[in-house]
Amino acid sequence: GAGVSQSPSNKVTEKGKDVELRCDPISGHTALYWYRQSLGQGLEFLIYFQGNSAPDKSGLPSDRFSAERTGGSVSTLTIQRTQQEDSAVYLCASSITSVEQFFGPGTRLTVL
Amino acid sequence: QKEVEQDPGPLSVPEGAIVSLNCTYSNSAFQYFMWYRQYSRKGPELLMYTYSSGNKEDGRFTAQVDKSSKYISLFIRDSQPSDSATYLCAMTRTGNQFYFGTGTSLTVIP
Repeated sequence: GAGVSQSPSNKVTEKGKDVELRCDPISGHTALYWYRQSLGQGLEFLIYFQGNSAPDKSGLPSDRFSAERTGGSVSTLTIQRTQQEDSAVYLCASSITSVEQFFGPGTRLTVL
Repeated sequence: QKEVEQDPGPLSVPEGAIVSLNCTYSNSAFQYFMWYRQYSRKGPELLMYTYSSGNKEDGRFTAQVDKSSKYISLFIRDSQPSDSATYLCAMTRTGNQFYFGTGTSLTVIP
């Protein structure tokens, strides 16, 4: 079956612009996670959705970052007024067990 | 102090060698311990996970968890060039938040 997909695969934007990153989880997976991976850094947790519960937003680095998950499926991560330090690979993962995460290929964001 | 520490390497071994990858952690509440493999420009792929202390074997891979020492290991037997990748450890208490190591870059030389 289809795995987790993310779009776009690459995004180049100018400092100050807003960007939207999309994640399509595996069908039926109730949990969805967003992470950020910078060069030489581990995966940094951003936000976690579980079913219809309120999301765990404790990892969002600033109020410029927000995420939504519509209908318990597709999720969008929005970064407003992008800064150069936002340049990273943004990874999405979904899970049905809350232990075994399946990752998408990531979106490579470059802020000029 | 970081929640999870992992030596970034790089680690270079000849084909057929036994590889040992390790992580240490500080939070004794972690219960699930995972190892991921990540190829260049790809998302991480779960290799195996272990609940609490003990060993788990899957083919050429063995995961060990020592909760008393807060130390986990992944052993790769008969390493192959296709094992060349970055290996990430991860752990969680409940599955809400996962804490990842920075990854160890491994190259297996034919």
